[in-house]
Amino acid sequence: DAKTTQPPSMDCAEGRAANLPCNHSTISGNEYVYWYRQIHSQGPQYIIHGLKNNETNEMASLIITEDRKSSTLILPHATLRDTAVYYCIVSPAGGTSYGKLTFGQGTILTVHP
Amino acid sequence: DTAVSQTPKYLVTQMGNDKSIKCEQNLGHDTMYWYKQDSKKFLKIMFSYNNKELIINETVPNRFSPKSPDKAHLNLHINSLELGDSAVYFCASSQVAGQKLFFGSGTQLSVL
Repeated sequence: DAKTTQPPSMDCAEGRAANLPCNHSTISGNEYVYWYRQIHSQGPQYIIHGLKNNETNEMASLIITEDRKSSTLILPHATLRDTAVYYCIVSPAGGTSYGKLTFGQGTILTVHP
Repeated sequence: DTAVSQTPKYLVTQMGNDKSIKCEQNLGHDTMYWYKQDSKKFLKIMFSYNNKELIINETVPNRFSPKSPDKAHLNLHINSLELGDSAVYFCASSQVAGQKLFFGSGTQLSVL
């Protein structure tokens, strides 16, 4: 059972920032927020994860609210290749979860020209 | 150089047959997984192996038997295939259990 809530779909214009929200109001203190995406007919791809501080890597930025009950994934300059299903997942880091990521329905992001 | 590779990519077979899906990772990871994505696109974990030892078995029917001959390989054997087994099966690996999984491109299994 997914512990996150995401909008089912979003649109974004190419070149603009895509901001994908996620609610995880029941997150525990030892749980990280992970983001993955799945481009059509491919396996899921790890994007980023964080505990409480904002994180940035070459793909995206992750903003986590101070109370950790929600987060936003930001793709700063969306391209057509970013069209995918984006999954927000909360899971304990390390051995206690053994990779038992629970994928919900995610957000279908469509980037249009 | 594919990090996590699965074969075959497509598998079409009759009910009652036995089939295997192979998975190999060249990332030097200690943990490997099998996930199943059903027709509604929900991804669910089936098995997890750490250093060749089974650590997660998510109430999968015992017709499904994973085999890990070494840390780099985790194969999935399915006996007596049923219609409901039709799905996309993904192999994945991670350096640390539960963190930053790398997925293969999937095996689409169709049972007729």
